[in-house]
Amino acid sequence: QVQLQESGPGLVKPSQTLSLTCTVSGGSISSGDYYWSWIRQPPGKGLEWIGYIYYRGSTYYNPSLKSRVTISVDTSKNQFSLNLSSVTAADTAVYYCARGDAEYFQHWGQGTLVTVSS
Amino acid sequence: SYELTQPPSVSVSPGQTASIICSGDKLGDKYACWYQQKPGQSPVLVIYQNSKRPSGIPERFSGSNSGNTATLTISGTQAMDEADYYCQAWDSSTWVFGGGTKLTVL
Repeated sequence: QVQLQESGPGLVKPSQTLSLTCTVSGGSISSGDYYWSWIRQPPGKGLEWIGYIYYRGSTYYNPSLKSRVTISVDTSKNQFSLNLSSVTAADTAVYYCARGDAEYFQHWGQGTLVTVSS
Repeated sequence: SYELTQPPSVSVSPGQTASIICSGDKLGDKYACWYQQKPGQSPVLVIYQNSKRPSGIPERFSGSNSGNTATLTISGTQAMDEADYYCQAWDSSTWVFGGGTKLTVL
């Protein structure tokens, strides 16, 4: 059973870059036809898909965040990462990593709260 | 960009049937799925590809999708089903979520 675990700073200053890593266990990130994704949820609000990296390395981002988002993969560590630049308070959210199985997400991490504040 | 619309809240009495709708342009031409999220927890997939249930999801959860509307139906609703429910579809290489519906069992 694949498991995902987010890690990274819980507090980021405005204008800086938010960086998170998702560690995948129970399966290789390089195998299978999966879309390794980041999703976020501001406090008390709904879910927003941020972007994905395909196991072969291609990426696709939410157009609303595209200019600030980079997702990368480290297959040797079975991890993928999120960088979100020039953050503001509006980027405060619980950030989830998830495995996209075609058009749905069956496997999610537990989520990590990132607060943007000085 | 593609949008999915859900009612903010739905109420149901225990044992009754709850229906949560999700609307989007030609949504019936896409696959819709549904997630359940309880406070402080990650979302859990309860329906995928319109009407399929993942292993471990009770049979009382069912789904349909036609025209511009996808529907999540919970038959014999239990107190443990009280949660936020999100629909989601895949459009033009992006995953789109509805705004969520809070299901209250009272």
